[in-house]
Amino acid sequence: SQTIHQWPATLVQPVGSPLSLECTVEGTSNPNLYWYRQAAGRGLQLLFYSVGIGQISSEVPQNLSASRPQDRQFILSSKKLLLSDSGFYLCAWSGDGYQPQHFGDGTRLSIL
Amino acid sequence: DQQVKQNSPSLSVQEGRISILNCDYTNSMFDYFLWYKKYPAEGPTFLISISSIKDKNEDGRFTVFLNKSAKHLSLHIVPSQPGDSAVYFCAASGITGGGNKLTFGTGTQLKVEL
Repeated sequence: SQTIHQWPATLVQPVGSPLSLECTVEGTSNPNLYWYRQAAGRGLQLLFYSVGIGQISSEVPQNLSASRPQDRQFILSSKKLLLSDSGFYLCAWSGDGYQPQHFGDGTRLSIL
Repeated sequence: DQQVKQNSPSLSVQEGRISILNCDYTNSMFDYFLWYKKYPAEGPTFLISISSIKDKNEDGRFTVFLNKSAKHLSLHIVPSQPGDSAVYFCAASGITGGGNKLTFGTGTQLKVEL
């Protein structure tokens, strides 16, 4: 069966520091991969998605970037974190077509 | 521009009764709709979905209804159980060449009381 792993579960970072969050999927090949952010009291906002290695689409302008160095690995990065980058970050995968997305357990990011 | 709206931030239901969660959308290009359940500090869990060619889909205690003319969908949970207490998100998608991107509502907190 397919599983998705996301780490770390929680992270506290100072303003201006770099960020790297990692997500890996097992049990499937060539998944579509997604990064979402949930701000406090808000819904899930799609940040990036990828349909293949090296293919990244950005949904909203921001201080973050994403990369997909391997088929089942998706990385969310920042060179310099802002206070507004605080939130709950979720990685998800799906197959093609009318398929649900399946989420990892998320990373709670707090910026001090 | 909120294309998927859940106008009730919270809902309280007694155990054994029906829970009805509602969702409205504005984008007529959406043709695939999903419901997710989320516990605190966890990722959302997929519950049930429906495509626009159907008006009802049922899976155990969960039924999703789609009214395309009203751009409205609802999730019925019968009978409601205490373990159903969670935040429920509806989501919608219009399949494009760029993967299955979902637009989420802001969620409804369901509390099932004993």
